[in-house]
Amino acid sequence: GQQLNQSPQSMFIQEGEDVSMNCTSSSIFNTWLWYKQDPGEGPVLLIALYKAGELTSNGRLTAQFGITRKDSFLNISASIPSDVGIYFCAGPLDGSSNTGKLIFGQGTTLQVKP
Amino acid sequence: EAEVAQSPRYKITEKSQAVAFWCDPISGHATLYWYRQILGQGPELLVQFQDESVVDDSQLPKDRFSAERLKGVDSTLKIQPAELGDSAMYLCASSLREFGELFFGEGSRLTVL
Repeated sequence: GQQLNQSPQSMFIQEGEDVSMNCTSSSIFNTWLWYKQDPGEGPVLLIALYKAGELTSNGRLTAQFGITRKDSFLNISASIPSDVGIYFCAGPLDGSSNTGKLIFGQGTTLQVKP
Repeated sequence: EAEVAQSPRYKITEKSQAVAFWCDPISGHATLYWYRQILGQGPELLVQFQDESVVDDSQLPKDRFSAERLKGVDSTLKIQPAELGDSAMYLCASSLREFGELFFGEGSRLTVL
């Protein structure tokens, strides 16, 4: 079945450093989504990608939809303490285009040292 | 700011007891989802509603789980009987339309002893 693998599983970085994480899939996706989850909260959508090769930014966050459509990348520049949380990649279940019925990766936990 | 409301935030129950979680989506959102998130993992879809109708419950363990959205607004997810493996965060999410952006609630954390 579908599976999303995120790496790294966790990162501990110094404030001000840039961060890179990625997500790979065993199958092709037509949409890639990146969410952030703060402790005790539900996930919040950061960036949505709809086209292979697409590069999209949201403030200090930049995400890319891989050319093969089987991977995606998220970069955070100049990290700050409030970037702490778990970052999830997600894509529509079963090859659909429904961005509500999602499969999620297992998450990358980011910790930032002030 | 409109939010998805969930209750209770925390629930501790003993194995074999019944539990229920409630969700009130953002006003006007026709599509509602329940997800389950086991600690250390990403959320997994349980059920999708469009208005009052179940669109997809293929991943809902129907021997013990049930979900309803009788008037197409708020929704209830029930587990009976609860098992140890049900310990997780139960997240409700809504979207304006079926292919729209998801907005998650804060979740209901269940601990089964």
